[in-house]
Amino acid sequence: IAGITQAPTSQILAAGRRMTLRCTQDMRHNAMYWYRQDLGLGLRLIHYSNTAGTTGKGEVPDGYSVSRANTDDFPLTLASAVPSQTSVYFCVSSETNTGELFFGEGSRLTVL
Amino acid sequence: GQNIDQPTEMTATEGAIVQINCTYQTSGFNGLFWYQQHAGEAPTFLSYNVLDGLEEKGRFSSFLSRSKGYSYLLLKELQMKDSASYLCAVRDSNYQLIWGAGTKLIIKP
Repeated sequence: IAGITQAPTSQILAAGRRMTLRCTQDMRHNAMYWYRQDLGLGLRLIHYSNTAGTTGKGEVPDGYSVSRANTDDFPLTLASAVPSQTSVYFCVSSETNTGELFFGEGSRLTVL
Repeated sequence: GQNIDQPTEMTATEGAIVQINCTYQTSGFNGLFWYQQHAGEAPTFLSYNVLDGLEEKGRFSSFLSRSKGYSYLLLKELQMKDSASYLCAVRDSNYQLIWGAGTKLIIKP
């Protein structure tokens, strides 16, 4: 089934460690996004990419980095994890920056 | 600042009708989305409104008034499986999505 694959689905991480959340889509969508979801808050945009080779900062980019070397892959890296980065992370794609969003299953990250 | 408001939690009875409201203040408007999210799962698309009026899709309908900065999601003939959170999101003038915190809908038999 076509869609978005995220890995890992769940991870416990020691503070200070480096972590990369992987995201791959096979829908050839141009736009991709990383959101975090925390209880009581709306989805917050971390970084986005409107097309391969370009990235941009969202609402909460600090402590995170992304790359978009090709259309399909959009990894999110936490250079040095902190407990406040404990969250559920969703990788999302859209055919254009105006279209419907398609969500990955999410990655639950716990930083101790 | 930009803001999306929706009730935190609502309770309804199986078979009944429920309306979930969403009000927004954003810098520009390029469409409003409703997503459904079951506990522990990813959000899934329900509806998209860019013009004023009512969009009907089976048991679910979504209404938009751009002049009032207001939308609602109407769920008819409620089923237990409709127990979920419902997320309202607005695209602003920069085509960025602003998300509400979601409304948790509890369906009782």
